[in-house]
Amino acid sequence: DVVMTQTPPSLSVAIGQSVSISCKSSQSLVYSDGKTYLHWLLQSPGRSPKRLIYQVSNLGSGVPDRFSGTGSQKDFTLKISRVEAEDLGVYYCAQTTHFPLTFGSGTKLEIK
Amino acid sequence: EVQLVESGGGLVQPGRSLKLSCVASGFTFSNYGMNWIRQAPGKGLEWVAYISSGSSYIYYAETVKGRFTISRDNAKNTLYLQMTSLRSEDTALYYCARRYYDGFAYWGQGTLVTVSS
Repeated sequence: DVVMTQTPPSLSVAIGQSVSISCKSSQSLVYSDGKTYLHWLLQSPGRSPKRLIYQVSNLGSGVPDRFSGTGSQKDFTLKISRVEAEDLGVYYCAQTTHFPLTFGSGTKLEIK
Repeated sequence: EVQLVESGGGLVQPGRSLKLSCVASGFTFSNYGMNWIRQAPGKGLEWVAYISSGSSYIYYAETVKGRFTISRDNAKNTLYLQMTSLRSEDTALYYCARRYYDGFAYWGQGTLVTVSS
């Protein structure tokens, strides 16, 4: 199985600051079609997960452009510019290149 | 508006069975693969199973293979998860989520399954 390693496990950031979350996979996430199926989701407190970014860098519908994703092969990063209060929650990376599909263990973002 | 509404959760004894449902609306259900994903209390997300749009392709996590069965009824816009031989470690909030290669764009609100004697 592909192991997804997220760091850091938690972050505390002030409103307006920028933050980055890392996600590393144990195998390349490039599929045979050439695409990389690495995604980022946010689970706000008491809510269902919400997709933020799909296939490394594509912004989901309605997601503010303060969120951005980069990376390739086995190393990926989610960046949040100008953090807002509504950004608090747990961020997960997920790979859907290989079955079984797997998630990172999550990064909890708190607002100072 | 895309909606996914899960139901069927509850308290069940170890070794017993339970069947979850997920009713879809707001999109052409028969065109999309679907997933079950669960979250144990206070824990992270765990993918459980996937079924393709026409049920030709089905995949399971090793932790549920042989005990859980994913299925769908496209005429009823409904996804199912039949769970048998339930264990305490199956206690979780079970979500259905649409497709996977676009990052699980839509999720339901979840249905809670508690396995306890």
